[in-house]
Amino acid sequence: GAVVSQHPSWVICKSGTSVKIECRSLDFQATTMFWYRQFPKQSLMLMATSNEGSKATYEQGVEKDKFLINHASLTLSTLTVTSAHPEDSSFYICSAPNGGWSTFGSGTRLTVV
Amino acid sequence: GENVEQHPSTLSVQEGDSAVIKCTYSDSASNYFPWYKQELGKRPQLIIDIRSNVGEKKDQRIAVTLNKTAKHFSLHITETQPEDSAVYFCAASKEENNFNKFYFGSGTKLNVKP
Repeated sequence: GAVVSQHPSWVICKSGTSVKIECRSLDFQATTMFWYRQFPKQSLMLMATSNEGSKATYEQGVEKDKFLINHASLTLSTLTVTSAHPEDSSFYICSAPNGGWSTFGSGTRLTVV
Repeated sequence: GENVEQHPSTLSVQEGDSAVIKCTYSDSASNYFPWYKQELGKRPQLIIDIRSNVGEKKDQRIAVTLNKTAKHFSLHITETQPEDSAVYFCAASKEENNFNKFYFGSGTKLNVKP
């Protein structure tokens, strides 16, 4: 079946540094990728939608300059958390629509110290 | 935008009993309602879904019902087993620009006691 590969699965970084998270669709083309953030014991909150060849659209309240999204090709979307702070520590997960379904990546647990 | 509410937030049942989780949505244009099971630290896994043109769907011990008029849908798990323990999320979506954007409920932590 359709697979979205997400890397890294976990990362610890120092406050003020940037972290890049990659999501690749392995056997299908993902013209769109959804990026979610999930705080402990909370639901998945949609952050933004990336579209290959155009600018990402961000949900209300999400800082586009802090969460940089690039959809470089039909199989790769990246999320860069810039100048990370401890409050950015969360579980980030991508999801690509595929034939009406939604295939999730495995998630990235980011800890900012 | 869409607003999805989910209840209860936690649910504890005895093995073999049934579990019911309920969700409501606000956007009458939503037409696809998946349910996901998420184990700790792992990706959500689709367990069942329903589209707005049907009122009920069943897959072995799992069933989902949809009431479009009232804008609510429910997940029913019968003969629960300890391995059903997880967090369950409902979601509502509608097709926008040829894809579905999902809005998730707040989640229900199900604990099945052996």
